[in-house]
Amino acid sequence: AQKVTQAQTEISVVEKEDVTLDCVYETRDTTYYLFWYKQPPSGELVFLIRRNSFDEQNEISGRYSWNFQKSTSSFNFTITASQVVDSAVYFCALSRFYNQGGKLIFGQGTELSVKP
Amino acid sequence: GAVVSQHPSWVICKSGTSVKIECRSLDFQATTMFWYRQFPKQSLMLMATSNEGSKATYEQGVEKDKFLINHASLTLSTLTVTSAHPEDSSFYICSASYFEERPGAEAFFGQGTRLTVV
Repeated sequence: AQKVTQAQTEISVVEKEDVTLDCVYETRDTTYYLFWYKQPPSGELVFLIRRNSFDEQNEISGRYSWNFQKSTSSFNFTITASQVVDSAVYFCALSRFYNQGGKLIFGQGTELSVKP
Repeated sequence: GAVVSQHPSWVICKSGTSVKIECRSLDFQATTMFWYRQFPKQSLMLMATSNEGSKATYEQGVEKDKFLINHASLTLSTLTVTSAHPEDSSFYICSASYFEERPGAEAFFGQGTRLTVV
């Protein structure tokens, strides 16, 4: 069975603070994909990153960075110098390698509130 | 990224009526689309896989007769909530991906439809 756990339901920070969103996954597959999506109050899901299980290199994109550790089945997301516009619900998701065009298993989501 | 358009973005209907939600891939062909449901403050739960030219595949616990899915073309899938009741009120969101060209390609989501049944 596949499962994604985001233990942090809500996080509140003050602008310019760094914040890390945790994601732990379970799968018996040896090959799989991990994703992060952002859901602002308007509701649409915005794709942030995809990582395949072969590639454990960490990635940085501007203020965003991701730490993938296969040994601990974690795929954590850090926002550096947070901004009010980062306020949203963030979802971590898992799919099988041949993912049937995007069949995703989502975590429960972490609601991030960045206060000015 | 690819564009997926969902319509309407919100709808209010009376109990007992049916509502149709459209999901279109605007700049690519999608043989497979997915429908998710999201309750307030909760995660997205996959309802069904919509396959172009064939029957949809429903997840366990999803009523096929209540949530009718039609994928008549490579760019359009529709979800019809039949005989809607207040408990069907939710946020419905579709996704599509061009995984045939790129295995593991990310899914692109529509804007979502907020359904309120009164």
